[in-house]
Amino acid sequence: QSALTQPASVSGSPGQSITISCTGTSSDVGSHNSVSWYQQHPGKAPKLMIYDVSNRPSGVSNRFSGSKSGNTASLTISGLQAEDEADYYCSLYTSSSPYVFGTGTKVTVL
Amino acid sequence: EVQLVESGGDLVQPGGSLRLSCAASGFSFSLYSMNWVRQAPGKGLEWVSYISSVGRTIYYADSVKGRFTVSRDNDQNSLYLQIDSLRAEDTAIYYCVRVHRIEVPGDYWGQGTLVTVSS
Repeated sequence: QSALTQPASVSGSPGQSITISCTGTSSDVGSHNSVSWYQQHPGKAPKLMIYDVSNRPSGVSNRFSGSKSGNTASLTISGLQAEDEADYYCSLYTSSSPYVFGTGTKVTVL
Repeated sequence: EVQLVESGGDLVQPGGSLRLSCAASGFSFSLYSMNWVRQAPGKGLEWVSYISSVGRTIYYADSVKGRFTVSRDNDQNSLYLQIDSLRAEDTAIYYCVRVHRIEVPGDYWGQGTLVTVSS
């Protein structure tokens, strides 16, 4: 299964909102709600930010939210802060794959 | 506190073998499925292998099938990845990852161990 498509980079100013897309097909993202999002700071391990499209694990800021429309899942970061500057990856589980990650998006806080 | 500590990464020649280990603590290891996920230098994440809580169900990515073998020892709270016939493209940081539910590839990640394949 091919990697899900994410924009290479997204940027925003402090306090703004940004959205990162994760695009697949009707056979994967479009027909499954098992989308997760991970944040990775340089030199660090990834951290789970969102699972099942829109659920936040305990301890994750409510500035992070997830959604899905058609074949595209999205991660929105509201009230952008300097500490949000990191790489972000989506992932999808399907019983046939089972896991595929997105291509990754570098978020820059201007 | 959940802790996952990988070890065993090294510089290996193409065609060589390596065994990675992951020591788990802070949770009931035997109740959780586990994943190995890797990341080549400067690249994105790639899922490698999945093993269920008692080891009955195992999956591999197509890129490693037939060369990698995942196993676990629940008495020792340890996860392993045997890597054979190493190729340059296997060069990566290998992460040990606890599976939240099968639909969620990882809720806790180790810090990773670096495997470098080069002559």
